[in-house]
Amino acid sequence: ETGVTQTPRHLVMGMTNKKSLKCEQHLGHNAMYWYKQSAKKPLELMFVYSLEERVENNSVPSRFSPECPNSSHLFLHLHTLQPEDSALYLCASSQGSRGPTSTDTQYFGPGTRLTVL
Amino acid sequence: TQLLEQSPQFLSIQEGENLTVYCNSSSVFSSLQWYRQEPGEGPVLLVTVVTGGEVKKLKRLTFQFGDARKDSSLHITAAQPGDTGLYLCAGAGGSYIPTFGRGTSLIVHP
Repeated sequence: ETGVTQTPRHLVMGMTNKKSLKCEQHLGHNAMYWYKQSAKKPLELMFVYSLEERVENNSVPSRFSPECPNSSHLFLHLHTLQPEDSALYLCASSQGSRGPTSTDTQYFGPGTRLTVL
Repeated sequence: TQLLEQSPQFLSIQEGENLTVYCNSSSVFSSLQWYRQEPGEGPVLLVTVVTGGEVKKLKRLTFQFGDARKDSSLHITAAQPGDTGLYLCAGAGGSYIPTFGRGTSLIVHP
């Protein structure tokens, strides 16, 4: 595998389910991101991890819970989601000299298309 | 809060036509990136422009950064169906996280 991979690619879940999204980067980067992409909205940053520590949490509802066990893996745990949470969830990684900066190139995975019924 | 406005929002053209999409802001950015996102995939970086007035070419794509580093344009010459996708601009500066525009959705018909 190369680049950034995400699994599953598609997920349909009920509002009472618990599921997890997985992201893996094979680039040796030191920062990883979760974004939400909804129709007609800019990419919304959800979480940033730098060197396995969360450095950004953009007022995301607690029904989304991130986990970064090491620099190559990032998870997004989902619990009791709402239909408006249906979106494409994108993972990205970047390499910065001292953590993430806005000039760092972000490499995106293919995304997980989530549908909440 | 830095905002990036992209126009047009949608563009549907025939193969062989030329087009320009725009990315505008009232804020100054230290650099600006253009991404292309194909259906079912994540965004892929096309180019980064850093210097005001800078012009970069990538085959049939020409990117320009405004002199004041507040705006950018992407011009495609002789568009092909393979150019179909969502074109996103992202500005760096201020926050350590880039600001993304909403994108221009381009469809090139054969």
